[in-house]
Amino acid sequence: QVQLVESGGGVVQPGRSLRLSCAASGFTFRSYGIHWVRQAPGKGLEWVAVITHDGSKKYYADSVKGRFSISRDNLKNTLYLQMNSLRAEDTAVYYCAKDTSTYCRGDCPPINWGQGTRVTVSS
Amino acid sequence: SYVLTQPPSVSVAPGQTATITCGGNNIGSKNVHWYQQKPGQAPVLVVYDKSVRPSGIPERFSGSNSGNTATLTISWVEAGDEADYYCQVWDSSSDHWVFGGGTKLTVL
Repeated sequence: QVQLVESGGGVVQPGRSLRLSCAASGFTFRSYGIHWVRQAPGKGLEWVAVITHDGSKKYYADSVKGRFSISRDNLKNTLYLQMNSLRAEDTAVYYCAKDTSTYCRGDCPPINWGQGTRVTVSS
Repeated sequence: SYVLTQPPSVSVAPGQTATITCGGNNIGSKNVHWYQQKPGQAPVLVVYDKSVRPSGIPERFSGSNSGNTATLTISWVEAGDEADYYCQVWDSSSDHWVFGGGTKLTVL
């Protein structure tokens, strides 16, 4: 079955960097776009970024554009989120999630989600 | 930027029908997706592309969309349906995904 396992979360000081990973299994990773979605403590869902199946298109929320970078390694079945210049408001659980359909252009909703990794930005 | 508006809370008795709305400018022209999230768990897609249910989602969950309002309807509500529900759309004018603020469904 589809599995998505996030890792790399932790406590980091403001202004520092962190890289999250999402290990995928149970489906043909190279055929699906993948999203990052986050949820601050006690708050709602916030979309962060999406990358198409081949990495040719990447879209970012305004709140992270220029600071975060999404990438993927289709040989390792792994998605990444490089987070730079972290701020307190980036504190959240970060989920990776797989598209509903293959070969989408960034516009398919996510259907399979990981359990999330927690990021805390604090001095 | 595109904005989706949901009521913060909806309450319903078991066996009744719950209606959760999602307002957005001309949302009827967009594909709307709905997620259920229970405390401490990842979201679950319950309806996508306005009215399609993923495998394993009961027929009690249905979606509709017209004008400036999309609606998630849960028929024959059960205690296990108590959760937060989020609507979501793709805003093609900005190439951004947008979530509504979420609605907490309470089963009385």
